[in-house]
Amino acid sequence: GESVGLHLPTLSVQEGDNSIINCAYSNSASDYFIWYKQESGKGPQFIIDIRSNMDKRQGQRVTVLLNKTVKHLSLQIAATQPGDSAVYFCAENGDNQGGKLIFGQGTELSVKP
Amino acid sequence: DSGVTQTPKHLITATGQRVTLRCSPRSGDLSVYWYQQSLDQGLQFLIQYYNGEERAKGNILERFSAQQFPDLHSELNLSSLELGDSALYFCASRDHTGASGEQFFGPGTRLTVL
Repeated sequence: GESVGLHLPTLSVQEGDNSIINCAYSNSASDYFIWYKQESGKGPQFIIDIRSNMDKRQGQRVTVLLNKTVKHLSLQIAATQPGDSAVYFCAENGDNQGGKLIFGQGTELSVKP
Repeated sequence: DSGVTQTPKHLITATGQRVTLRCSPRSGDLSVYWYQQSLDQGLQFLIQYYNGEERAKGNILERFSAQQFPDLHSELNLSSLELGDSALYFCASRDHTGASGEQFFGPGTRLTVL
């Protein structure tokens, strides 16, 4: 069949505002979650991770929230900057063995100066 | 710079051909993972090697194969190429000694099949 491009959800924010990117994961047995940032033409770059025994973890300007009840993950970016413009992927470890990652479809963040 | 290197950066070939993609993991990382990123499928796990042994397999076609060598670099072989194999291919490596499950991604190889 004919291939169609992924229509990524897009989030557009003003520079300086906070951004919240959401992700639903699939496997209730997953015990490790990770957020990656991918800029155009580059490989995914680690932002922050969280294990299932936590519901919140903070990094520099970023916070990840995990809600296992509804299998939901969110990434909050404080004081969003133009350099934050990229596609953001959440990933889960799925099978708890070996560490293969199952990626979500991604969200494109656009920061307006 | 993640410390993971991939060559070549770009590859253009014809249907039916065979190509080899190469990955060198970060120094000391024993695991190498291969992922395919296409427009219609997103980032998909293909296969993992740990210290030379296949550890996990994902959505990898039978036309594709991989191996990890004693120096821990890995190669992904794609044969009988089809138009739909055009994609970005990433490898990632991981250090299993710490608590983090972070995988460090290389810059990718962009494969175009004409």
